[in-house]
Amino acid sequence: ETGVTQTPRHLVMGMTNKKSLKCEQHLGHNAMYWYKQSAKKPLELMFVYSLEERVENNSVPSRFSPECPNSSHLFLHLHTLQPEDSALYLCASSQDRLFEQYFGPGTRLTVT
Amino acid sequence: RKEVEQDPGPFNVPEGATVAFNCTYSNSASQSFFWYRQDCRKEPKLLMSVYSSGNEDGRFTAQLNRASQYISLLIRDSKLSDSATYLCVVNSLSGGGADGLTFGKGTHLIIQP
Repeated sequence: ETGVTQTPRHLVMGMTNKKSLKCEQHLGHNAMYWYKQSAKKPLELMFVYSLEERVENNSVPSRFSPECPNSSHLFLHLHTLQPEDSALYLCASSQDRLFEQYFGPGTRLTVT
Repeated sequence: RKEVEQDPGPFNVPEGATVAFNCTYSNSASQSFFWYRQDCRKEPKLLMSVYSSGNEDGRFTAQLNRASQYISLLIRDSKLSDSATYLCVVNSLSGGGADGLTFGKGTHLIIQP
């Protein structure tokens, strides 16, 4: 399935690095999301974009910076991360905020 | 306060058996409900939406009880490939904001040959 794609699939970065995660959806959806999933923890919603406007930021530290240039693309810019930020970062999209979401394969991030 | 609560399991079930999970949610204004399946180190995948009237998809049946604020998933004739973590997901939109999907911690199912 290629409805929602994410790159890179794996990323190792040092605490002083700057990197970006990319998500692209080919489903014509209007809402996109970033989630974080740490080991043995439930999914945590980070950001919600609807029609390219950010509608929710769940108290995420400023070292995570989202960008949504259009309804098909979503980025997560990372800088000065901490080792505890190591996790699986999942992007999802949905037709509308009440509808079911479809997830990309995720980026497995390791911060050293 | 746990918004979406599930028994984490694991549920160890012999192949061919029927297994059922329940999930409770705390927000009575919740509007849509889903079951997702997540395999180890993979992304969650939509298994089925849960409708007020209940719905069935092959061996899977989902039901919603709004009065008691729980949803259920029944798997009949379980297969080895059903082994996974099943996530209960509830969607609520509050006035002026977007709560989005709230995920339960998941129920781990292991089908044994």
